[in-house]
Amino acid sequence: DQQVKQNSPSLSVQEGRISILNCDYTNSMFDYFLWYKKYPAEGPTFLISISSIKDKNEDGRFTVFLNKSAKHLSLHIVPSQPGDSAVYFCAASLKTSYDKVIFGPGTSLSVIP
Amino acid sequence: DTAVSQTPKYLVTQMGNDKSIKCEQNLGHDTMYWYKQDSKKFLKIMFSYNNKELIINETVPNRFSPKSPDKAHLNLHINSLELGDSAVYFCASSQDPGGWTEAFFGQGTRLTVV
Repeated sequence: DQQVKQNSPSLSVQEGRISILNCDYTNSMFDYFLWYKKYPAEGPTFLISISSIKDKNEDGRFTVFLNKSAKHLSLHIVPSQPGDSAVYFCAASLKTSYDKVIFGPGTSLSVIP
Repeated sequence: DTAVSQTPKYLVTQMGNDKSIKCEQNLGHDTMYWYKQDSKKFLKIMFSYNNKELIINETVPNRFSPKSPDKAHLNLHINSLELGDSAVYFCASSQDPGGWTEAFFGQGTRLTVV
């Protein structure tokens, strides 16, 4: 039973345009969300996170939006660059316990020059 | 200077063998993890240790045994390897015990059981 879903396995975007990666979750108790980026043959690296008390967090070209009522979050990358081509994992966790972080299956982003 | 390093990067072995994957972090973190990325690319936690104490032990066969000799090391030993154990195994560490702040991952160990 997937608690964190990324329904688009892949996404292609032109360089300079906006990339929007989506993530849905089922457990309303999740209170912290993270995005990780992974290049081939490397481990995931942290990108950006958001607490459930916020609806937006921005870091340079990366913005994460959280819609708690819809149990949905999205990662916006503007402008997209070829170096952004990677697999993006959405993850969710419960901050108040030793509970684990649950990862989505990932979305493979290709930014076309 | 690699923050989280795991060895080996590739491991090919026969069914029934016993193998170990080593992990070390130099970030001073209290919590370390083992994740498995299966053929469907899902990253699933297997174990987590906080200050050498096991705090998460997912439904993993007993053939998998983590060992943490100190806070900076978390090794994974696998007995009687099976074909289904083929996957990429990632070690990670974090400042907090839940991973809700960023976790730092190693480069992964691709285990192939033949």
